[in-house]
Amino acid sequence: DTGVSQDPRHKITKRGQNVTFRCDPISEHNRLYWYRQTLGQGPEFLTYFQNEAQLEKSRLLSDRFSAERPKGSFSTLEIQRTEQGDSAMYLCASSPLPPSGNTIYFGEGSWLTVV
Amino acid sequence: QKEVEQDPGPLSVPEGAIVSLNCTYSNSAFQYFMWYRQYSRKGPELLMYTYSSGNKEDGRFTAQVDKSSKYISLFIRDSQPSDSATYLCAMRGGSEKLVFGKGMKLTVNP
Repeated sequence: DTGVSQDPRHKITKRGQNVTFRCDPISEHNRLYWYRQTLGQGPEFLTYFQNEAQLEKSRLLSDRFSAERPKGSFSTLEIQRTEQGDSAMYLCASSPLPPSGNTIYFGEGSWLTVV
Repeated sequence: QKEVEQDPGPLSVPEGAIVSLNCTYSNSAFQYFMWYRQYSRKGPELLMYTYSSGNKEDGRFTAQVDKSSKYISLFIRDSQPSDSATYLCAMRGGSEKLVFGKGMKLTVNP
């Protein structure tokens, strides 16, 4: 079990550029989540996939944000026209389906700095 | 009022102390409760998971949930310097969305 893998771990980008983060969940996990965490705050929910279906999205996920999980395995989170307020750690998490699906495991996160 | 309230601390204790961390919540639909540990610039690591009310023990860690008071606790016995981290409570109801507290920064001094 290799855990949830995220790439890149760190990204510095200029305001207005697009960035994409990739997440590889734990192999047998059907559910995949994206969260955002800023300094001094707990993670905030962005979106959730069950297999390839995006079933829940937060109001935090503005039109500039899009997430996909095309084959129900890895997922990507794209931020278009980045703003300084997008600077945060983007966390991916996964969990299996019930009955063991109530524990959610996080990756190490992808740090984004928008300059 | 935020759905989940957690005192952000910081909290500093001597090695060997018993640490008590707490969260309160307002949403009575929450039924799954978790505690995560997060080291600086790392992702949250799941420590304890509890369903509904009751206690759960795992080594030096004990999680308690009191749904009638909407109050959850994490106790750390015989605290070690390696326990120094930020501790996050998290919970959810029927939705898949986990709601986190702000996190409490704990330092255990040798």
